[in-house]
Amino acid sequence: DQQVKQNSPSLSVQEGRISILNCDYTNSMFDYFLWYKKYPAEGPTFLISISSIKDKNEDGRFTVFLNKSAKHLSLHIVPSQPGDSAVYFCAASGGAGNMLTFGGGTRLMVKP
Amino acid sequence: DTGVSQDPRHKITKRGQNVTFRCDPISEHNRLYWYRQTLGQGPEFLTYFQNEAQLEKSRLLSDRFSAERPKGSFSTLEIQRTEQGDSAMYLCASSRLVAYEQYFGPGTRLTVT
Repeated sequence: DQQVKQNSPSLSVQEGRISILNCDYTNSMFDYFLWYKKYPAEGPTFLISISSIKDKNEDGRFTVFLNKSAKHLSLHIVPSQPGDSAVYFCAASGGAGNMLTFGGGTRLMVKP
Repeated sequence: DTGVSQDPRHKITKRGQNVTFRCDPISEHNRLYWYRQTLGQGPEFLTYFQNEAQLEKSRLLSDRFSAERPKGSFSTLEIQRTEQGDSAMYLCASSRLVAYEQYFGPGTRLTVT
């Protein structure tokens, strides 16, 4: 039973355009959401997060939107750069230990 | 802040052997987590420690797996009698006590032949 899903395994965008990565969740107990970026042979790197009491959080080129009623979040990257090419994981947290439940990842390719 | 480190980065072992991995968290982080990632999947939670106490274990953590964090600093994850299905990337992460954000190490890639 996948509680966090990323339905697009891959996404290709042109440099300078917007990248939109999507994530859906099923567990209403999740109260915090995070995005991680992963390069090959490295561990996931924390990118940006959002609390369930907010609907938007922005950090430079990265913006995360949360729609609680739809149990959906998205990561917008504007403008996209070739160095953004990586696998992006959505993760959700809930419960006493703040353990993370991850989606399956979306591979983003930004073409020059 | 030197980040989370893991050792070894790669381990190849034969089925039935025991292996042990080490994780050194960010020094001021109270919580330490272990995750496992297989090809094409996201990381899956295995267990976590708050200081030296192991507070939760996933059902993925069979009785062949054991983890310790003896002095609340580094942690070890041991797999006994390895099986081919144990082949995966084992990731360690740490966080402050009241923070949601976890910081990951580079992982240990285990291959069981």
